[in-house]
Amino acid sequence: DAKTTQPPSMDCAEGRAANLPCNHSTISGNEYVYWYRQIHSQGPQYIIHGLKNNETNEMASLIITEDRKSSTLILPHATLRDTAVYYCIVRVSGSGGGADGLTFGKGTHLIIQP
Amino acid sequence: DTAVSQTPKYLVTQMGNDKSIKCEQNLGHDTMYWYKQDSKKFLKIMFSYNNKELIINETVPNRFSPKSPDKAHLNLHINSLELGDSAVYFCASSQSAPYGYTFGSGTRLTVV
Repeated sequence: DAKTTQPPSMDCAEGRAANLPCNHSTISGNEYVYWYRQIHSQGPQYIIHGLKNNETNEMASLIITEDRKSSTLILPHATLRDTAVYYCIVRVSGSGGGADGLTFGKGTHLIIQP
Repeated sequence: DTAVSQTPKYLVTQMGNDKSIKCEQNLGHDTMYWYKQDSKKFLKIMFSYNNKELIINETVPNRFSPKSPDKAHLNLHINSLELGDSAVYFCASSQSAPYGYTFGSGTRLTVV
């Protein structure tokens, strides 16, 4: 699976949009981009995933560049409860986890400021 | 209803003991996983399992063994516990890709 690069930490003011970048310059054509987050002391939570097109759900939007070498997760109106570590993961679509499952990096610690 | 539930939430035990952590999912997912999160907060896959195949991360000691009585359960057995086994263990499940994983709330294991 392709590796990802994320900033270690970011701040965002409450009520503003939080834009979290991720670089995945070695991504292959059949690899999806997944975003998860982990709020302190909880299990990771799936947010969104995409292949080529931009995606939106009730939690966030995912913007993938045309060359697919980077993406941005957007939380449109950040709240204090969005403070968490956000993980960008690139993974081939398959029938299950495989030998390595989802590979989590260090992620971005997003801190929402009141 | 909790989608992926783990028990116990906390487990404190002495070195050398054998312990089990249970995991159940009510999502009808095909594949279940165990992850370990160490003190440095890195999440690492230990096992993935569906009704056809168990895939083991080669770095996991053979003291760790998953047991799946049915599709909805994947328990983790640990023999001869060591201090270094202290961590938070997460169970997860997923449908066939590309859908996301659903994680449990974790079991904090402390070996003393």
